[in-house]
Amino acid sequence: DVKVTQSSRYLVKRTGEKVFLECVQDMDHENMFWYRQDPGLGLRLIYFSYDVKMKEKGDIPEGYSVSREKKERFSLILESASTNQTSMYLCASSLTWGAGRNTIYFGEGSWLTVV
Amino acid sequence: AQKITQTQPGMFVQEKEAVTLDCTYDTSDPSYGLFWYKQPSSGEMIFLIYQGSYDQQNATEGRYSLNFQKARKSANLVISASQLGDSAMYFCAMRGNTGNQFYFGTGTSLTVIP
Repeated sequence: DVKVTQSSRYLVKRTGEKVFLECVQDMDHENMFWYRQDPGLGLRLIYFSYDVKMKEKGDIPEGYSVSREKKERFSLILESASTNQTSMYLCASSLTWGAGRNTIYFGEGSWLTVV
Repeated sequence: AQKITQTQPGMFVQEKEAVTLDCTYDTSDPSYGLFWYKQPSSGEMIFLIYQGSYDQQNATEGRYSLNFQKARKSANLVISASQLGDSAMYFCAMRGNTGNQFYFGTGTSLTVIP
């Protein structure tokens, strides 16, 4: 089974802190994603990566950066956390289209509260 | 532009009844996939069912079936014999063959009533 693991399930951080959310997948997937989920807004894509050191902005990249130094690991960084970044963050991974199963697989989510 | 629309923010169904959750999509990709995910209150996203745009038959997985109408660009999820454990958020999603992105709807909250 594909496993996507997010390092922290629940975090509480202070305004202005630098926050790292780590994600690891064990199925050699090329693509990795970070989404933010808020009530009534569904899942919004922050960044995605289709290869090591490659990244593309999603719909809401402002205030976030990402790092992908190894194929299995994709990190989301909040350079200076703000209260409006309080949310649930979901990491996901997938194969390239047509390379096999086209499904996206999710981690358990990280609930971040910024106070 | 790629877009997924779920017009039902909330739905209620009696236990053991069937329920249909609506999903329409828009894409210019010649080949694409449609997905449904379940998200219980614990937060994890559980993959339910997949339909490829060139699949001849509607997908089924146990009590879940996908009513795929390509000309109408709809991909409704049908849950038969609802159970209390089906109470959750349900997301429709799409992926096209020309990019790596997945597109999600805003979700439908399903409540199963005993």
